Amino acid sequence: GAVVSQHPSRVICKSGTSVKIECRSLDFQATTMFWYRQFPKQSLMLMATSNEGSKATYEQGVEKDKFLINHASLTLSTLTVTSAHPEDSSFYICSAIGISGRRGSSYEQYFGPGTRLTVT
Amino acid sequence: AQSVTQLDSHVSVSEGTPVLLRCNYSSSYSPSLFWYVQHPNKGLQLLLKYTSAATLVKGINGFEAEFKKSETSFHLTKPSAHMSDAAEYFCVVSVSTNAGKSTFGDGTTLTVKP
Repeated sequence: GAVVSQHPSRVICKSGTSVKIECRSLDFQATTMFWYRQFPKQSLMLMATSNEGSKATYEQGVEKDKFLINHASLTLSTLTVTSAHPEDSSFYICSAIGISGRRGSSYEQYFGPGTRLTVT
Repeated sequence: AQSVTQLDSHVSVSEGTPVLLRCNYSSSYSPSLFWYVQHPNKGLQLLLKYTSAATLVKGINGFEAEFKKSETSFHLTKPSAHMSDAAEYFCVVSVSTNAGKSTFGDGTTLTVKP
């Protein structure tokens, strides 16, 4: 099975509503998770770094009040898109780095399959 | 600081001919380098990685890449392209001193003609 899972894989929501996306590491403990967004035919853009038990670190230009990140356990991080608008429609991908010695000792990131968000 | 440049936004080859996707990187420290493939509307799949061991790295599906420090390059090659290789390819660099944060290249679209 997948090492990192995301749920849901696709979501359609109405403008003004909030959407939560979950990222889970299934067979290892992830001290750090990353959230990316990808626009059509473009590369991945890092949005934020999520560390278990602490506040997320957001990249420049990413609104932390709009994209709420919670990393409450070593296997789960969530991204909530608040008051979504059509321009938030994108492909959101998470990745996880494991505790050294088990997974990710070379800082290889394990990517989730992505979540396609469409805001109507 | 770290950065990665994929030198070709599009590469087109005929089925059965070699594939070369070029990647140059910049890093203040010893980097880890990766190649990922992404098929349309799908997530990322790791093809191969370099993490300071052998400079010639073999990956899945017949792909390989050579780390050349003197040229700061990590080009991806395959001897014979298959139709199923048509996809988007990303070169990625990360360094341990940057908390594992990865920097993605802009991607190269590989087209395989019959």
